[in-house]
Amino acid sequence: GDSVIQMQGQVTLSENDFLFINCTYSTTGYPTLFWYVQYSGEGPQLLLQVTTANNKGSSRGFEATYDKGTTSFHLQKTSVQEIDSAVYYCAMRAANSAGNKLTFGIGTRVLVRP
Amino acid sequence: EAAVTQSPRNKVAVTGGKVTLSCNQTNNHNNMYWYRQDTGHGLRLIHYSYGAGSTEKGDIPDGYKASRPSQENFSLILELATPSQTSVYFCASGEGRDGGQLYFGEGSKLTVL
Repeated sequence: GDSVIQMQGQVTLSENDFLFINCTYSTTGYPTLFWYVQYSGEGPQLLLQVTTANNKGSSRGFEATYDKGTTSFHLQKTSVQEIDSAVYYCAMRAANSAGNKLTFGIGTRVLVRP
Repeated sequence: EAAVTQSPRNKVAVTGGKVTLSCNQTNNHNNMYWYRQDTGHGLRLIHYSYGAGSTEKGDIPDGYKASRPSQENFSLILELATPSQTSVYFCASGEGRDGGQLYFGEGSKLTVL
């Protein structure tokens, strides 16, 4: 079946540090990949979407890269700020997904200390 | 204006009791979803719907039922709640033509004692 593996459970950084979160996926065909962010007390919201067409996406200083060869995708930000403290989820929509379903990773809790 | 709203936001239930979580969306999306969020598991899909009158099983449907009486409303029903169903539940809506992203509500925290 379809799956997404997100290994890092928690990352603690200082302001202006570099953030890197990696996910790998397993599915048939070429999926669409997403990064969602969840701030405390809120529901997840879309941060970035990456399709096979462009292999990269960027938003709010974050950049996402999709490597079809290694079936992996990662999220990075050069200089994090305290407001970036949140839980980050990678997610996948399989190429033949019924109902437009998304499969999520376990999430990475990012804590940025001032 | 929140486009996906859930109720109740917090619920305490007893084992064996019936729990209904409700979701309303104003996005006019055909598809709606129920996920549960647990530490170490992330977001897991329980049920989803293509439109009014349809419900489909997700990845972890056991112990849950769903109801989609209209385009706007999607409910998750726990007929006999168990402590293992203590979790935070998220409703979402989405549409393929919108690039496939999902729009989530703020969550419903359920505690089963």
